[in-house]
Amino acid sequence: KAGVTQTPRYLIKTRGQQVTLSCSPISGHRSVSWYQQTPGQGLQFLFEYFSETQRNKGNFPGRFSGRQFSNSRSEMNVSTLELGDSALYLCASSFAGGATDTQYFGPGTRLTVL
Amino acid sequence: QKEVEQDPGPLSVPEGAIVSLNCTYSNSAFQYFMWYRQYSRKGPELLMYTYSSGNKEDGRFTAQVDKSSKYISLFIRDSQPSDSATYLCAMYPRSGTYKYIFGTGTRLKVLA
Repeated sequence: KAGVTQTPRYLIKTRGQQVTLSCSPISGHRSVSWYQQTPGQGLQFLFEYFSETQRNKGNFPGRFSGRQFSNSRSEMNVSTLELGDSALYLCASSFAGGATDTQYFGPGTRLTVL
Repeated sequence: QKEVEQDPGPLSVPEGAIVSLNCTYSNSAFQYFMWYRQYSRKGPELLMYTYSSGNKEDGRFTAQVDKSSKYISLFIRDSQPSDSATYLCAMYPRSGTYKYIFGTGTRLKVLA
């Protein structure tokens, strides 16, 4: 069974640009969550999608957005990039979300903003 | 103040040592407690999951939750160099929020 895949694995952008990251969940999983990981702040929750609906979002500015498609694949978009957006972006999938449903993480996309 | 506090380390121990990793939290609504392990250049993977207070053992790993003190621990017995990784605690409230709160992670190095 294939794991969670994220593309691209590495990205370099400049301030002011926008970026789209992609996540393909494990087959059969309908919940996809996105996280930002930085050395100082650790793993911070961005948003969670289930059946194309956003069920919760973290405390990030509106420049961060996401969506989920009918096949459960998900994308997140960051507009008007800032230096502080440099981070590892991780997505995680599970069957339905929730505490008793194991999340499986992808390897992440390393975003560097210059 | 963060909802979940975790000492970032790094923590270096000799092979065979008992390792104790800890997190404290402030939100009494947290009911589910998890430990993840993250190797370099990989995503986190779930190690242990505990509901409410108490202990849970899985091989060399033991997770403890003390809700009265808002304190959780992960113990690793007979630590191995392959245990060298970052360990993240994570918490989840009673139900319905679909939002995990993670600690910043503790880097562990087990020396052969």
